[in-house]
Amino acid sequence: EPEVTQTPSHQVTQMGQEVILRCVPISNHLYFYWYRQILGQKVEFLVSFYNNEISEKSEIFDDQFSVERPDGSNFTLKIRSTKLEDSAMYFCASRMVGSTNEKLFFGSGTQLSVL
Amino acid sequence: AQSVSQHNHHVILSEAASLELGCNYSYGGTVNLFWYVQYPGQHLQLLLKYFSGDPLVKGIKGFEAEFIKSKFSFNLRKPSVQWSDTAEYFCAVRSDNTDKLIFGTGTRLQVFP
Repeated sequence: EPEVTQTPSHQVTQMGQEVILRCVPISNHLYFYWYRQILGQKVEFLVSFYNNEISEKSEIFDDQFSVERPDGSNFTLKIRSTKLEDSAMYFCASRMVGSTNEKLFFGSGTQLSVL
Repeated sequence: AQSVSQHNHHVILSEAASLELGCNYSYGGTVNLFWYVQYPGQHLQLLLKYFSGDPLVKGIKGFEAEFIKSKFSFNLRKPSVQWSDTAEYFCAVRSDNTDKLIFGTGTRLQVFP
């Protein structure tokens, strides 16, 4: 089965630093998503992205967050100035074009630790 | 606002026992319902989904779930669990006017041989 790839698997950063989390979605997919899961809490939607623009975002996704598809294959999540509460597992997901019935594929996640 | 509740946070079973994990959601409109599984160290995988039609949905690995609209529930069942079913199980809902999934807090299942 095709896979969504996320790198790195674990990233440690100092509070206030910028981080970029990288994802390689499945090659023929055109809808992309970021979710996160703070330890012990729910998986939360952050943002969806289609046709080079954000199609939907949550309240969590404030000005400190941005997403980009810089080169047609990678899909990145940038946090400009990390806070302690940004520590979480971040999941990338993608799906094909079409109705929302299409299956959503998730990556294995990047564990972000902000110290 | 939509929400999803999974009442069982941690379930411990012996192999061959039957499993039922509860999931309730709050949303009055049309919903799509999902169960995802996350095996240790792996990504979220879709177990099964309900969009319309037969409310009893069969998924992979012998899992099934029943959508009961009047109870706003979508409970996951398996008649006989195996040690390899040890994982975290997440219920999720998507309303018909959005593309985002709302997840429950997850249920950790441990199956002992």
